[in-house]
Amino acid sequence: EIVLTQSPGTLSLSPGDRATLSCRASQTVTSDYLAWYQQKPGQPPRLLIYNAAYRATGIPDRFSGSGSGTHFTLTITRLEPEDFAVYYCHQYGNSPPETFGQGTKVEIK
Amino acid sequence: QIRLVQSGPEVRKPGASVKVSCKASGYTFSSYGICWVRQAPGQGPEWMGWISTDSGDRKYAQKVQGRVTLTRETSTSTAFMELRSLRFDDTAVYYCARCPLYSGYINWGQGTLVTVSS
Repeated sequence: EIVLTQSPGTLSLSPGDRATLSCRASQTVTSDYLAWYQQKPGQPPRLLIYNAAYRATGIPDRFSGSGSGTHFTLTITRLEPEDFAVYYCHQYGNSPPETFGQGTKVEIK
Repeated sequence: QIRLVQSGPEVRKPGASVKVSCKASGYTFSSYGICWVRQAPGQGPEWMGWISTDSGDRKYAQKVQGRVTLTRETSTSTAFMELRSLRFDDTAVYYCARCPLYSGYINWGQGTLVTVSS
């Protein structure tokens, strides 16, 4: 089973700041099949990025994904008020099981 | 418009079973698998399993294998997740999601809270 470790656990930033979130895998993620999600309280996760670097339909271009193998990054170039939430990475290349990270909370400083 | 609508909240005692439904609309049900993910309070999501809505093939997470059964009813475009021998740590929100091959999950159900309490 691939373990995904996200860092930092919490990121305290201000609107307009740049956010850089990390996701490290315990083994190589096959074909870079890694996604990023945003989740707000009481809602299901919202897909932002799939296959490490491709924005899902309707996702603003301030969200970008990069990385390969065992290290992946989600970057939000200029934080908007609605971007303060919890973010999860998810690998679906090595299944079963697919696995999720434990999350990074982006909070207002 | 693609929608996944799940059944309502459930409360069960330890040792009991629960069955959650997920009704799909807005796309051809048999063209995409359905995945089940749960999320305990304050925790990250946990993948439970996948079912092919076409063939009925299934994959399960080892952690719940033996206690979980995924099924589907193609005539009503509905998927089901049954979890048996419930324990306190099965308390979570259970989600279904449309899961295309080798892509993230873009469509999710609204979630079903299952509470295991004595």
